[in-house]
Amino acid sequence: GAVVSQHPSRVICKSGTSVKIECRSLDFQATTMFWYRQFPKQSLMLMATSNEGSKATYEQGVEKDKFLINHASLTLSTLTVTSAHPEDSSFYICSAREGTSGGLDTQYFGPGTRLTVL
Amino acid sequence: GQNIDQPTEMTATEGAIVQINCTYQTSGFNGLFWYQQHAGEAPTFLSYNVLDGLEEKGRFSSFLSRSKGYSYLLLKELQMKDSASYLCAAMDSNYQLIWGAGTKLIIKP
Repeated sequence: GAVVSQHPSRVICKSGTSVKIECRSLDFQATTMFWYRQFPKQSLMLMATSNEGSKATYEQGVEKDKFLINHASLTLSTLTVTSAHPEDSSFYICSAREGTSGGLDTQYFGPGTRLTVL
Repeated sequence: GQNIDQPTEMTATEGAIVQINCTYQTSGFNGLFWYQQHAGEAPTFLSYNVLDGLEEKGRFSSFLSRSKGYSYLLLKELQMKDSASYLCAAMDSNYQLIWGAGTKLIIKP
């Protein structure tokens, strides 16, 4: 089946630094990638949707200048948390959708990245 | 390797009961999650099990057997709005989520 990887899997950083998280579709081309944030034992919260070659669409309440998303190719999207603060500590999950037909059955999730900001 | 298996699609009748099974193989284990996802929407959290047994939440219940690497999601009194995909995800020892491909549940009147 289709595989989505994320790197790093875990990162600890100091407050004020920036952290980049990569999301890659390993064996398919992802025209759309999604970035989620998950709080413990709670639902995934969609942060933004990115389409290859265009600007990301951010959900209400998500600061686009703080969470920079780049979808430069059909297999790679990056999320950069700029000037991270302790409240940004969370589990970040990406998913990738193959093709343009939409629907859950073509959306594949990455393993997540646990960010801890000290 | 790490793996999650769940059926691709299931069909059930409104008002009935359906059980969606999930088997997992992970390096270590830190819990099993079930999510519901309607087409075009973000997944919503349904349940989290880390101890053996049954957790009941209204019409939905989730069961876990750690020794068997097995979980199921039980949906009772099915309603048309329960038509969705149901995702099983296991958290490994590194707190990484291993996702199943999802089970598409179709409810018929």
